[in-house]
Amino acid sequence: AQKITQTQPGMFVQEKEAVTLDCTYDTSDPSYGLFWYKQPSSGEMIFLIYQGSYDQQNATEGRYSLNFQKARKSANLVISASQLGDSAMYFCAMIRGNNRLAFGKGNQVVVIP
Amino acid sequence: DVKVTQSSRYLVKRTGEKVFLECVQDMDHENMFWYRQDPGLGLRLIYFSYDVKMKEKGDIPEGYSVSREKKERFSLILESASTNQTSMYLCASSTSLNTEAFFGQGTRLTVV
Repeated sequence: AQKITQTQPGMFVQEKEAVTLDCTYDTSDPSYGLFWYKQPSSGEMIFLIYQGSYDQQNATEGRYSLNFQKARKSANLVISASQLGDSAMYFCAMIRGNNRLAFGKGNQVVVIP
Repeated sequence: DVKVTQSSRYLVKRTGEKVFLECVQDMDHENMFWYRQDPGLGLRLIYFSYDVKMKEKGDIPEGYSVSREKKERFSLILESASTNQTSMYLCASSTSLNTEAFFGQGTRLTVV
């Protein structure tokens, strides 16, 4: 089975600072996609950003950017200028050519004023 | 707006009952997924389907089965509910490899 690893313990971040959430993955498929989702305390899953395995440039979406290091099988999420509303669980996910979408265990982020 | 709807927000069932969790999407997505979410374990894939009547086991299929008779509907079946299946169940759908999945609101299942 594919494996997505998120090992950081819960993180406290000062408002307006940047935070990096680590994600490593393991697959032998040449074609795959990487996603980050946010889950606030309300429970909804919110899509943040996508990176394809063949994309040459790192994905960016507003304050979110993905630091994609293919050789290291790493897809870290960077949130710039943290806001109180960024407090949530963050999940890294990967989909492969067989359409199997799997998630990591998540990182808890708390933004403090 | 894409909509993924799960039939129940909260369910309480007795041990040994057969339980059906229904999920419907309205965007003609090919792929549909069932996950369970438990604290500290993230989202674990139970089953997924990439076409009508096609299904694939995920990482934790034991004790579950699925049905996809129509493209828009993906059902999760607990053949004989047990207390260790008490969890939050999330359904999702997506259209292709490089597009995001859309999630339902979740079903909080308690087995007593």
